[in-house]
Amino acid sequence: QQQVKQSPQSLIVQKGGISIINCAYENTAFDYFPWYQQFPGKGPALLIAIRPDVSEKKEGRFTISFNKSAKQFSLHIMDSQPGDSATYFCAASLLSGTYKYIFGTGTRLKVLA
Amino acid sequence: GAGVSQTPSNKVTEKGKYVELRCDPISGHTALYWYRQSLGQGPEFLIYFQGTGAADDSGLPNDRFFAVRPEGSVSTLKIQRTERGDSAVYLCASSLKGGGETQYFGPGTRLLVL
Repeated sequence: QQQVKQSPQSLIVQKGGISIINCAYENTAFDYFPWYQQFPGKGPALLIAIRPDVSEKKEGRFTISFNKSAKQFSLHIMDSQPGDSATYFCAASLLSGTYKYIFGTGTRLKVLA
Repeated sequence: GAGVSQTPSNKVTEKGKYVELRCDPISGHTALYWYRQSLGQGPEFLIYFQGTGAADDSGLPNDRFFAVRPEGSVSTLKIQRTERGDSAVYLCASSLKGGGETQYFGPGTRLLVL
Protein backbone atom coordinates (compact mmCIF):
# COMPACT_ATOMS: atom_id res chain seq x y z
CA GLN A 1 0.00 0.00 0.00
CA GLN A 2 3.03 2.23 0.25
CA GLN A 3 4.04 1.81 -3.39
CA VAL A 4 4.07 4.46 -6.09
CA LYS A 5 4.01 3.01 -9.59
CA GLN A 6 5.55 5.09 -12.38
CA SER A 7 5.41 4.71 -16.15
CA PRO A 8 6.87 4.66 -18.70
CA GLN A 9 10.33 3.50 -17.72
CA SER A 10 11.83 5.46 -20.59
CA LEU A 11 10.56 8.04 -23.03
CA ILE A 12 11.90 9.59 -26.21
CA VAL A 13 10.34 12.83 -27.43
CA GLN A 14 11.13 15.18 -30.27
CA LYS A 15 12.15 18.74 -29.42
CA GLY A 16 9.03 20.85 -29.02
CA GLY A 17 6.86 17.85 -28.20
CA ILE A 18 4.94 17.03 -25.03
CA SER A 19 6.41 14.59 -22.53
CA ILE A 20 3.92 12.79 -20.30
CA ILE A 21 4.85 10.67 -17.27
CA ASN A 22 2.28 8.90 -15.16
CA CYS A 23 2.18 7.76 -11.55
CA ALA A 24 -0.34 5.82 -9.49
CA TYR A 25 -0.53 5.31 -5.75
CA GLU A 26 -2.52 3.09 -3.40
CA ASN A 27 -2.50 4.82 -0.03
CA THR A 28 -5.33 7.33 -0.01
CA ALA A 29 -3.76 9.03 3.01
CA PHE A 30 -0.94 10.46 0.87
CA ASP A 31 -1.37 14.21 0.69
CA TYR A 32 1.70 15.63 -0.99
CA PHE A 33 2.98 14.70 -4.44
CA PRO A 34 6.28 16.17 -5.66
CA TRP A 35 8.11 15.56 -8.90
CA TYR A 36 11.89 15.51 -8.91
CA GLN A 37 14.34 15.85 -11.79
CA GLN A 38 17.71 14.12 -11.63
CA PHE A 39 20.68 14.57 -13.93
CA PRO A 40 23.46 11.93 -14.05
CA GLY A 41 25.76 12.21 -11.07
CA LYS A 42 23.55 14.74 -9.30
CA GLY A 43 21.00 14.56 -6.54
CA PRO A 44 17.29 14.92 -7.32
CA ALA A 45 15.96 18.49 -7.53
CA LEU A 46 12.35 19.50 -6.94
CA LEU A 47 10.53 20.41 -10.12
CA ILE A 48 6.94 20.93 -9.05
CA ALA A 49 4.60 19.59 -6.37
CA ILE A 50 0.85 19.34 -5.77
CA ARG A 51 -1.53 18.68 -2.90
CA PRO A 52 -4.77 16.75 -3.47
CA ASP A 53 -7.08 19.72 -2.97
CA VAL A 54 -6.34 20.89 -6.53
CA SER A 55 -6.60 18.99 -9.81
CA GLU A 56 -3.89 20.82 -11.72
CA LYS A 57 -0.83 22.94 -11.07
CA LYS A 58 1.25 24.68 -13.70
CA GLU A 59 4.70 26.22 -13.44
CA GLY A 60 6.15 27.38 -16.72
CA ARG A 61 6.34 24.44 -19.11
CA PHE A 62 5.64 21.91 -16.35
CA THR A 63 2.12 20.86 -15.33
CA ILE A 64 0.91 18.31 -12.79
CA SER A 65 -2.52 16.81 -13.36
CA PHE A 66 -4.04 15.10 -10.31
CA ASN A 67 -6.97 12.66 -10.28
CA LYS A 68 -7.84 11.90 -6.66
CA SER A 69 -10.60 9.39 -7.41
CA ALA A 70 -8.33 7.37 -9.70
CA LYS A 71 -5.35 7.80 -7.38
CA GLN A 72 -3.22 8.93 -10.29
CA PHE A 73 -1.14 11.96 -11.12
CA SER A 74 0.95 12.90 -14.11
CA LEU A 75 3.65 15.30 -15.21
CA HIS A 76 3.35 17.07 -18.53
CA ILE A 77 6.36 18.84 -20.01
CA MET A 78 5.28 21.18 -22.79
CA ASP A 79 7.63 22.26 -25.57
CA SER A 80 10.19 19.69 -24.44
CA GLN A 81 13.82 20.72 -24.89
CA PRO A 82 17.06 18.71 -25.09
CA GLY A 83 18.03 20.24 -21.75
CA ASP A 84 15.03 18.45 -20.20
CA SER A 85 16.73 15.11 -20.85
CA ALA A 86 17.02 13.62 -17.38
CA THR A 87 15.40 11.07 -15.10
CA TYR A 88 12.13 12.12 -13.50
CA PHE A 89 10.77 10.71 -10.26
CA CYS A 90 7.32 11.10 -8.82
CA ALA A 91 6.87 10.75 -5.09
CA ALA A 92 4.19 10.72 -2.44
CA SER A 93 4.28 11.73 1.18
CA LEU A 94 2.16 12.01 4.30
CA LEU A 95 2.35 15.57 5.63
CA SER A 96 0.96 14.43 8.95
CA GLY A 97 3.55 11.71 9.30
CA THR A 98 7.30 11.82 9.11
CA TYR A 99 7.15 13.37 5.66
CA LYS A 100 9.34 10.69 4.14
CA TYR A 101 8.95 10.40 0.41
CA ILE A 102 7.90 7.20 -1.34
CA PHE A 103 9.44 7.46 -4.79
CA GLY A 104 8.45 5.89 -8.07
CA THR A 105 11.00 3.92 -10.05
CA GLY A 106 11.81 6.81 -12.40
CA THR A 107 11.39 7.70 -16.07
CA ARG A 108 14.42 8.34 -18.22
CA LEU A 109 13.48 11.09 -20.67
CA LYS A 110 15.46 11.82 -23.81
CA VAL A 111 14.50 14.82 -25.91
CA LEU A 112 15.90 14.69 -29.42
CA ALA A 113 17.23 17.89 -30.92
CA GLY B 1 23.53 29.92 -0.42
CA ALA B 2 25.22 26.55 0.02
CA GLY B 3 23.16 23.47 -0.62
CA VAL B 4 23.33 20.07 1.00
CA SER B 5 26.81 18.66 0.81
CA GLN B 6 27.90 15.06 1.18
CA THR B 7 31.33 13.54 1.64
CA PRO B 8 32.96 11.58 0.28
CA SER B 9 31.50 11.77 -3.21
CA ASN B 10 32.76 8.26 -3.90
CA LYS B 11 33.77 5.46 -1.56
CA VAL B 12 35.19 2.09 -2.51
CA THR B 13 35.56 -0.45 0.25
CA GLU B 14 35.98 -4.16 0.72
CA LYS B 15 33.32 -6.54 1.95
CA GLY B 16 33.26 -6.64 5.73
CA LYS B 17 34.72 -3.16 6.26
CA TYR B 18 33.13 -0.26 8.15
CA VAL B 19 32.22 2.99 6.38
CA GLU B 20 30.97 6.40 7.43
CA LEU B 21 29.12 8.77 5.12
CA ARG B 22 28.71 12.42 6.07
CA CYS B 23 25.95 14.89 5.31
CA ASP B 24 26.01 18.65 5.86
CA PRO B 25 22.46 19.99 5.55
CA ILE B 26 21.44 23.48 4.55
CA SER B 27 22.09 25.83 7.45
CA GLY B 28 19.03 26.22 9.65
CA HIS B 29 17.24 23.12 8.37
CA THR B 30 16.05 21.05 11.29
CA ALA B 31 14.85 18.04 9.31
CA LEU B 32 17.32 15.65 7.72
CA TYR B 33 16.66 12.50 5.70
CA TRP B 34 18.80 9.67 4.37
CA TYR B 35 17.77 7.75 1.28
CA ARG B 36 19.44 4.97 -0.68
CA GLN B 37 19.26 4.80 -4.47
CA SER B 38 20.16 1.62 -6.26
CA LEU B 39 21.00 1.67 -9.96
CA GLY B 40 17.94 2.38 -12.06
CA GLN B 41 15.66 2.81 -9.06
CA GLY B 42 14.09 5.65 -7.16
CA PRO B 43 15.47 6.71 -3.79
CA GLU B 44 14.33 4.58 -0.84
CA PHE B 45 13.85 6.14 2.58
CA LEU B 46 16.24 5.07 5.33
CA ILE B 47 15.91 7.43 8.30
CA TYR B 48 14.53 10.84 9.29
CA PHE B 49 15.93 13.18 11.93
CA GLN B 50 14.08 16.08 13.49
CA GLY B 51 16.78 17.97 15.31
CA THR B 52 19.08 15.52 17.06
CA GLY B 53 16.63 12.66 17.36
CA ALA B 54 15.79 9.96 14.86
CA ALA B 55 12.04 10.44 14.44
CA ASP B 56 11.68 7.56 11.99
CA ASP B 57 14.28 4.86 11.33
CA SER B 58 11.87 2.39 9.78
CA GLY B 59 13.77 2.30 6.49
CA LEU B 60 17.09 1.08 7.86
CA PRO B 61 17.48 -2.39 6.32
CA ASN B 62 19.14 -4.09 9.30
CA ASP B 63 21.21 -3.43 12.39
CA ARG B 64 24.40 -2.95 10.38
CA PHE B 65 23.10 0.50 9.48
CA PHE B 66 23.10 3.31 12.00
CA ALA B 67 22.91 7.10 11.75
CA VAL B 68 23.57 9.95 14.16
CA ARG B 69 23.06 13.68 14.26
CA PRO B 70 24.53 14.67 17.63
CA GLU B 71 24.27 18.45 17.36
CA GLY B 72 21.25 18.71 15.11
CA SER B 73 23.22 19.70 12.04
CA VAL B 74 25.76 17.32 10.45
CA SER B 75 24.70 13.70 10.19
CA THR B 76 26.74 10.55 9.72
CA LEU B 77 25.42 7.31 8.27
CA LYS B 78 27.43 4.35 9.50
CA ILE B 79 27.50 0.94 7.87
CA GLN B 80 29.19 -1.97 9.64
CA ARG B 81 30.40 -5.21 8.03
CA THR B 82 29.59 -3.93 4.54
CA GLU B 83 28.16 -6.34 1.99
CA ARG B 84 28.21 -6.15 -1.80
CA GLY B 85 24.47 -5.52 -1.73
CA ASP B 86 25.10 -2.26 0.13
CA SER B 87 26.55 -0.77 -3.07
CA ALA B 88 24.35 2.17 -4.01
CA VAL B 89 24.18 5.95 -3.97
CA TYR B 90 23.37 7.25 -0.50
CA LEU B 91 21.45 10.52 -0.67
CA CYS B 92 20.93 13.03 2.08
CA ALA B 93 18.16 15.63 2.05
CA SER B 94 17.17 18.42 4.39
CA SER B 95 14.13 20.60 4.82
CA LEU B 96 13.40 23.65 6.92
CA LYS B 97 11.14 22.09 9.53
CA GLY B 98 10.08 18.75 8.12
CA GLY B 99 6.44 19.74 7.99
CA GLY B 100 6.01 19.15 4.30
CA GLU B 101 8.44 21.74 3.05
CA THR B 102 10.60 20.92 0.07
CA GLN B 103 13.32 18.35 0.67
CA TYR B 104 16.61 19.52 -0.83
CA PHE B 105 18.91 16.72 -1.86
CA GLY B 106 22.66 16.54 -1.85
CA PRO B 107 24.67 15.01 -4.72
CA GLY B 108 25.02 11.69 -2.93
CA THR B 109 27.84 9.37 -1.96
CA ARG B 110 28.46 6.54 -4.38
CA LEU B 111 29.40 3.48 -2.32
CA LEU B 112 30.95 0.47 -3.99
CA VAL B 113 31.60 -2.63 -1.92
CA LEU B 114 33.99 -5.04 -3.58
